[in-house]
Amino acid sequence: GAVVSQHPSWVICKSGTSVKIECRSLDFQATTMFWYRQFPKQSLMLMATSNEGSKATYEQGVEKDKFLINHASLTLSTLTVTSAHPEDSSFYICSVLPVGTEAFFGQGTRLTVV
Amino acid sequence: AQSVTQLDSQVPVFEEAPVELRCNYSSSVSVYLFWYVQYPNQGLQLLLKYLSGSTLVKGINGFEAEFNKSQTSFHLRKPSVQISDTAEYFCAVTPYSSASKIIFGSGTRLSIRP
Repeated sequence: GAVVSQHPSWVICKSGTSVKIECRSLDFQATTMFWYRQFPKQSLMLMATSNEGSKATYEQGVEKDKFLINHASLTLSTLTVTSAHPEDSSFYICSVLPVGTEAFFGQGTRLTVV
Repeated sequence: AQSVTQLDSQVPVFEEAPVELRCNYSSSVSVYLFWYVQYPNQGLQLLLKYLSGSTLVKGINGFEAEFNKSQTSFHLRKPSVQISDTAEYFCAVTPYSSASKIIFGSGTRLSIRP
């Protein structure tokens, strides 16, 4: 199966700063990657679909100018939380979904904005 | 469109007792079905999957699930749970198409009591 590496696993930042989260597909060329957000004791909420070489597709209600996604290669997608505020504190998870099999997830990133 | 319903948000069980976590889905197209487990501050790990073939599938850690097409269910079972099974469990589906989204249920928190 695919191996997905997400970095960092946790980050603390000051309000108003930007944070970049990386998602790497180590052994699978992913033309598409998915970014999720998870609040405590809740399910995963799909934020956006990252498309290699083109613009990401954002889910309804997700601010594309706040959550910048770049998918510059078949193995790397990045999520940048711009001008972070405490309400952006959450657990962010990326995944790849090869055709005909299960999704593979990164380890997740715990973002705390203070 | 697809949807996944996990009827129980929390399931408390005594150690070594059997457990069943319920999952029902709705879809106008054929889907693959999955159960994932999430331990605190970690990404999701695949427990088991149904792609085709035998409707009874066995996964890791002694879990199994049975696909029932007529009832559109995919309930997860384990005959004897351990303390280490305490985690959040997510049922999920993906349609039979490329780069499609994975749709999650709301999750069931399984807590094992000694």
